[in-house]
Amino acid sequence: DAGVIQSPRHEVTEMGQEVTLRCKPISGHNSLFWYRQTMMRGLELLIYFNNNVPIDDSGMPEDRFSAKMPNASFSTLKIQPSEPRDSAVYFCASSSHLANTEAFFGQGTRLTVV
Amino acid sequence: EDQVTQSPEALRLQEGESSSLNCSYTVSGLRGLFWYRQDPGKGPEFLFTLYSAGEEKEKERLKATLTKKESFLHITAPKPEDSATYLCAVQVAYKLSFGAGTTVTVRA
Repeated sequence: DAGVIQSPRHEVTEMGQEVTLRCKPISGHNSLFWYRQTMMRGLELLIYFNNNVPIDDSGMPEDRFSAKMPNASFSTLKIQPSEPRDSAVYFCASSSHLANTEAFFGQGTRLTVV
Repeated sequence: EDQVTQSPEALRLQEGESSSLNCSYTVSGLRGLFWYRQDPGKGPEFLFTLYSAGEEKEKERLKATLTKKESFLHITAPKPEDSATYLCAVQVAYKLSFGAGTTVTVRA
């Protein structure tokens, strides 16, 4: 398996623009997590899904952030409108079971909002 | 509030110089403690899961141990390729809360 695949790897956008990050989890995994990593706050869990259903989105910072998982092989994290403070590395991770958090991480998307 | 504290923030070692990293935690209902390795520009890579005090896990030059309040990651005779940031995380319910990490640099 190719592992968790994220795209794009890098994204530079202007403040106010919509940004969409994409994730393909490992085939057969039914839990998916979105994390954000910054120097100041480290790795923070934003939202997680189980069997394509959002279970907990309490980590989503604001209404500008939204995430979807239309099927077992694809998820998106959208920021609209983007702000400079959203600049961070966003990771997607998947695991075979929600109670099994031996999660496998993607390479991340480095987002820069100017 | 659940807290995970890692120390030291950074560690510089000479090749072959063994050392330990610390992860102390304050959580209610710990389900597991995880160690990950992160290389620059990459996502965290899973190393170990520990579930109960007294448990130990080993992988090559790394050994993780767990007590009721903290976990240690021992690096024995490190090599330059062990240079990375090591993250610990605690699982409460279905959530992982990560520490800030310890950045290890091993010089040849």
